[in-house]
Amino acid sequence: DGGITQSPKYLFRKEGQNVTLSCEQNLNHDAMYWYRQDPGQGLRLIYYSQIVNDFQKGDIAEGYSVSREKKESFPLTVTSAQKNPTAFYLCASSIESRKTDTQYFGPGTRLTVL
Amino acid sequence: QKEVEQNSGPLSVPEGAIASLNCTYSDRGSQSFFWYRQYSGKSPELIMSIYSNGDKEDGRFTAQLNKASQYVSLLIRDSQPSDSATYLCAVATGGFKTIFGAGTRLFVKA
Repeated sequence: DGGITQSPKYLFRKEGQNVTLSCEQNLNHDAMYWYRQDPGQGLRLIYYSQIVNDFQKGDIAEGYSVSREKKESFPLTVTSAQKNPTAFYLCASSIESRKTDTQYFGPGTRLTVL
Repeated sequence: QKEVEQNSGPLSVPEGAIASLNCTYSDRGSQSFFWYRQYSGKSPELIMSIYSNGDKEDGRFTAQLNKASQYVSLLIRDSQPSDSATYLCAVATGGFKTIFGAGTRLFVKA
């Protein structure tokens, strides 16, 4: 059964902590994306990756970091430099990296800062 | 700044009616257009994609695209209470970015 998985579903972070959100896909998609969603707002792009070992900053990359060591995996680290990290984080993937293609989403991780 | 605009709603329609959701976008070079449905607390799921001017139908859903007017819409026929959700319009601008609107909340009253 192909799809995108994200873990954990809920995550709580204390001030000053770094936390890592997992995203895995078995769809054999080239491109992967991380978005942040705040109440009443559209999805905002944090980082995206078109191929393994390569990634680019999106519109709101400050305070976040990513890696793409495997095609299937694109973890997102929320660092202590991100001042307002409480949000719903969505990972997505698409088939081809050379054109803008339909993006499919994982179930999301809801991060709350305590 | 490339933008995608949607009326936030809520749009309220009675069961069985047609719901009409609208979206405008600013980048004339946009190539691909998508409608996603998002239930509260869940992730977006794709309903329709449309790439050329005109209408595209899939079951109870019809997407309409007018590139000259920079306008895309989604019609939901025979609306059901289970259609109550937030509908996101997304526009791919020809690079590797897709811009999402903030969404329109739809309520279908039984």
